[in-house]
Amino acid sequence: NAGVTQTPKFQVLKTGQSMTLQCAQDMNHEYMSWYRQDPGMGLRLIHYSVGAGITDQGEVPNGYNVSRSTTEDFPLRLLSAAPSQTSVYFCASSSRSRGAIPLANTIYFGEGSWLTVV
Amino acid sequence: RKEVEQDPGPFNVPEGATVAFNCTYSNSASQSFFWYRQDCRKEPKLLMSVYSSGNEDGRFTAQLNRASQYISLLIRDSKLSDSATYLCVVNGGGSYIPTFGRGTSLIVHP
Repeated sequence: NAGVTQTPKFQVLKTGQSMTLQCAQDMNHEYMSWYRQDPGMGLRLIHYSVGAGITDQGEVPNGYNVSRSTTEDFPLRLLSAAPSQTSVYFCASSSRSRGAIPLANTIYFGEGSWLTVV
Repeated sequence: RKEVEQDPGPFNVPEGATVAFNCTYSNSASQSFFWYRQDCRKEPKLLMSVYSSGNEDGRFTAQLNRASQYISLLIRDSKLSDSATYLCVVNGGGSYIPTFGRGTSLIVHP
């Protein structure tokens, strides 16, 4: 049972380079999201998606793009890497409740991607 | 005011101690509440959901106080392995986006 799979686990980029962090889940979850976590800052939402073809911005979207062409995949693209994007990135997914309470279900995280921009 | 607030700690306690964390939330329409545990350099994982009537899972007890808008986590008989960061998560209230607190660090020492 793979759950949420993120790749790569570690990456070093030069300023100005672009790259894509991959995220895939095999639980047929509608809701997927990307967070970054910096020391003392907690988890900050970058982008999220409530289903295939639907994406929206979170708290810190600048410098990142996402797409959701399938239910399973939710890649995060860094357009032109900057040292401020040095962080650990987590992809997460959850099923979307059909009842009155939205997202009252467990959120599953990938193992994280450690990104350093030099 | 942050939507979900936690004391960052660290809470430094000896083995066997009882320790409690609180988490306050600002959206009175919030409907679901969770505690997650995050070990160093690892992803957050669900510790327990928080139900209106309170709930217990072994040494862990979670409580919800809607009137004062806070949830709590009580850990009894602390173990070294309980050392981690505990994240409070609040959901609902008109949004599909869960809101995470910044976490409370717990260090259990021998």
